[in-house]
Amino acid sequence: DGGITQSPKYLFRKEGQNVTLSCEQNLNHDAMYWYRQDPGQGLRLIYYSQIVNDFQKGDIAEGYSVSREKKESFPLTVTSAQKNPTAFYLCAALGTAPRNTEAFFGQGTRLTVV
Amino acid sequence: AQKVTQAQTEISVVEKEDVTLDCVYETRDTTYYLFWYKQPPSGELVFLIRRNSFDEQNEISGRYSWNFQKSTSSFNFTITASQVVDSAVYFCALSGGSSNTGKLIFGQGTTLQVKP
Repeated sequence: DGGITQSPKYLFRKEGQNVTLSCEQNLNHDAMYWYRQDPGQGLRLIYYSQIVNDFQKGDIAEGYSVSREKKESFPLTVTSAQKNPTAFYLCAALGTAPRNTEAFFGQGTRLTVV
Repeated sequence: AQKVTQAQTEISVVEKEDVTLDCVYETRDTTYYLFWYKQPPSGELVFLIRRNSFDEQNEISGRYSWNFQKSTSSFNFTITASQVVDSAVYFCALSGGSSNTGKLIFGQGTTLQVKP
């Protein structure tokens, strides 16, 4: 099946640890995105990448880092500098023409700091 | 700056009732896109519709319909004869502009509960 796969589904992190969330797509889409969702709030953009080896900060990039070494993969690292990392994280990829304004989402990773 | 406002935080209806979810947006761009996504309890966002700024035609898809009005910067979503399976969080989103990076600006979401 084609789509976007996020892993793990649930992740627990101790204070002061870095953790990496995986996002893989087999849709051959160029652009990929990471969003954060907090309870009762909409999604906010963390980072995005429009092409391999290039990425830009979104609205809430502080405490996060990303890489885009392959078209299929866009991992997100939540560093110890992120003061409140407990949230639901969603990865997305932008479709290609004619659906090149539609974002396809993974099933999300729920991160909890313990 | 771009902004999306969904003023209704939660809506509760009884099955078979019609329900309208409101969405108001702000943008200075002349070219933009509006979306509705559904988020069931599983968490994944499910695409429902995309509308571009040059197409104000209303759209109907089964029990779903959308009313896009540029004059009031609104893109409202109506579910006719609601069903329990419609219970979810619904997000309105905006993207576009000259760069069209595909970034989405989301509203806060409206939680719809349909009771049997």
